[in-house]
Amino acid sequence: LAKTTQPISMDSYEGQEVNITCSHNNIATNDYITWYQQFPSQGPRFIIQGYKTKVTNEVASLFIPADRKSSTLSLPRVSLSDTAVYYCLVGAGGTGRRALTFGSGTRLQVQP
Amino acid sequence: NAGVTQTPKFRILKIGQSMTLQCTQDMNHNYMYWYRQDPGMGLKLIYYSVGAGITDKGEVPNGYNVSRSTTEDFPLRLELAAPSQTSVYFCASRGEVQETQYFGPGTRLLVL
Repeated sequence: LAKTTQPISMDSYEGQEVNITCSHNNIATNDYITWYQQFPSQGPRFIIQGYKTKVTNEVASLFIPADRKSSTLSLPRVSLSDTAVYYCLVGAGGTGRRALTFGSGTRLQVQP
Repeated sequence: NAGVTQTPKFRILKIGQSMTLQCTQDMNHNYMYWYRQDPGMGLKLIYYSVGAGITDKGEVPNGYNVSRSTTEDFPLRLELAAPSQTSVYFCASRGEVQETQYFGPGTRLLVL
């Protein structure tokens, strides 16, 4: 399984754009990149998933460069409710006996 | 569609006692997972299953057992509770192709 590295914590203010970068130098050809969000006392929640270039949904954008050795989760105009831990995971899409490995994540604190 | 449900929400065990953490999903997912999360840490995989009758160990299986007799249910058994098993336990499931895991609300376990 590809190992991921992301900042331990980040601080931001309401209304700002937040970019969290994750490095995954050993990503395999068929690996997807997935980001989860976790609030205290809750299970992680899927945010976005991508394979290459850019993916956007109603919550966030995911930027993946051509070499796919890193990815950046972009949260536009954060609010206090975006304060959470964000996990970057890398794993193969499709079937197979496989489970994702969660690292320690990035703790995002949004200030008023 | 309730998603992934877990019971109980909270339990206190004495050292040496046993218990079963229940997990049920109604999305007809083949893949199911059990994680534990210690305070301030990421999730660690205990056991997972790729379908009824098939289970595999994860990163930290010692002290736990699982079974998967139906697609819907994936109970986690603690035979001899130890203080080191004090944690929050999350169950998750995912479909055949999508990498997205859906998490339950968690069970908080305290072993004294």
